[in-house]
Amino acid sequence: EADIYQTPRYLVIGTGKKITLECSQTMGHDKMYWYQQDPGMELHLIHYSYGVNSTEKGDLSSESTVSRIRTEHFPLTLESARPSHTSQYLCASSVTGLWGTQYFGPGTRLTVL
Amino acid sequence: AQTVTQSQPEMSVQEAETVTLSCTYDTSESDYYLFWYKQPPSRQMILVIRQEAYKQQNATENRFSVNFQKAAKSFSLKISDSQLGDAAMYFCAYRSGIGTGNQFYFGTGTSLTVIP
Repeated sequence: EADIYQTPRYLVIGTGKKITLECSQTMGHDKMYWYQQDPGMELHLIHYSYGVNSTEKGDLSSESTVSRIRTEHFPLTLESARPSHTSQYLCASSVTGLWGTQYFGPGTRLTVL
Repeated sequence: AQTVTQSQPEMSVQEAETVTLSCTYDTSESDYYLFWYKQPPSRQMILVIRQEAYKQQNATENRFSVNFQKAAKSFSLKISDSQLGDAAMYFCAYRSGIGTGNQFYFGTGTSLTVIP
């Protein structure tokens, strides 16, 4: 099993709160990703990073922001959470190479009341 | 952008039987990689099997195998001797082999139920 961690696993917060979802990997992967996934639905890429100090927005527009100051750490921040942000957030990482297989964390299930 | 289509939102299979999940994709590239991921309920998404486009031989991993038809742009997953633990959402994914980017394109998923 891949060494990629996400905290918290579950989070219930009120509207307007600022939150940070943590993602860390110990595999030394250069690339990291954030996906948004509603239960039983497809994955939507919201952010990705190809290395330290490199971040890009994905295909799905998101009000969240990310940073990549260290290779192993890729946190996602919502400045002011809203009920529309309720979803599951999956973090993944991969290494540049032949397969580029993405390895996923366990996810954070966010509920905004 | 490439598109990946999984036309079966839900499938079911009797325990010990065989089931095939469908996946088609649209691309103009000749060099790419294809993946099947499994996401059990409330658990981590894990890689099931993967295939390089330039390899004609179908990949196999124990009870899991693929039927890769490059000309038809089809990449189906066959699960033999289905077990209760195979119950999950299955996602097909595509990655371009061009450049160093690793962006994946995922299908909408197939929910597999295994009936005891």
